[in-house]
Amino acid sequence: GAVVSQHPSWVICKSGTSVKIECRSLDFQATTMFWYRQFPKQSLMLMATSNEGSKATYEQGVEKDKFLINHASLTLSTLTVTSAHPEDSSFYICSARDRAQYFGPGTRLLVL
Amino acid sequence: GDSVTQMEGPVTLSEEAFLTINCTYTATGYPSLFWYVQYPGEGLQLLLKATKADDKGSNKGFEATYRKETTSFHLEKGSVQVSDSAVYFCALREAGGADGLTFGKGTHLIIQP
Repeated sequence: GAVVSQHPSWVICKSGTSVKIECRSLDFQATTMFWYRQFPKQSLMLMATSNEGSKATYEQGVEKDKFLINHASLTLSTLTVTSAHPEDSSFYICSARDRAQYFGPGTRLLVL
Repeated sequence: GDSVTQMEGPVTLSEEAFLTINCTYTATGYPSLFWYVQYPGEGLQLLLKATKADDKGSNKGFEATYRKETTSFHLEKGSVQVSDSAVYFCALREAGGADGLTFGKGTHLIIQP
C-alpha cells in the first residue's frame, strides 16, 4: 500500500526556536496533504490542508504565521513551527491523499 | 461543528472474545464514516469505511454499519486475536466538504492470550 513518512520522528528544542517537520509520500504523488495535531488522550485535530503549489488552508483557531506549511512538490509537504513554546509540544501527524488518506507515523515535538 | 464520540478505553478482552467499540457522530448532511487502526509504532491505517446510510464496511473480520437513524458506526468483530491489540479511531468526513477528517479520541484495545 501507499507509504507516508515523516521526519524527524521526535524532536526536542528550546523555547523560541523553529522546528521543521517533513512529510513525504514515498510511492505516490499527493496533490493534497493534511496536517493534524494530537494531544495526549485526545482526538487528532485537523490543523490545515496543504495543496501542492498553492497556499495552505488553515482550520479555525490555527495560527498560519505560527505553523508555516509549504507543499512545494507532489511528494513533500513541510510544517514549520515558528518560535516554538512549551504549549506547542504535541504529536504532529501528516496524511497524504491518493485514493484514500494515508497517514505518516507522526512526529513528537517537545519544547523546553 | 462535526464531532465524533467513541467509547473510552482501554478495553481489555480475552482472545476469541466478541468486540464492540461504540462510535456516534454529529454532522450536517451525509458524511462518510471511517475506522482507522494504529498499531504500536506505526501510522494510522484505514480499516474500513462506509459512505452512505445502511452501508456495511468490512475488513479483516471487522465490521461496522452506517446507521443514520442512530448516528452510529459501531465497530464489531466476532473473535478477536492478540494481534488486534491497537488503538482504534472512528472518523468522519463531511459530505461535499474538504477532505480533512474529524476524529474521535481513539480506543485502546488490549487482547490478552
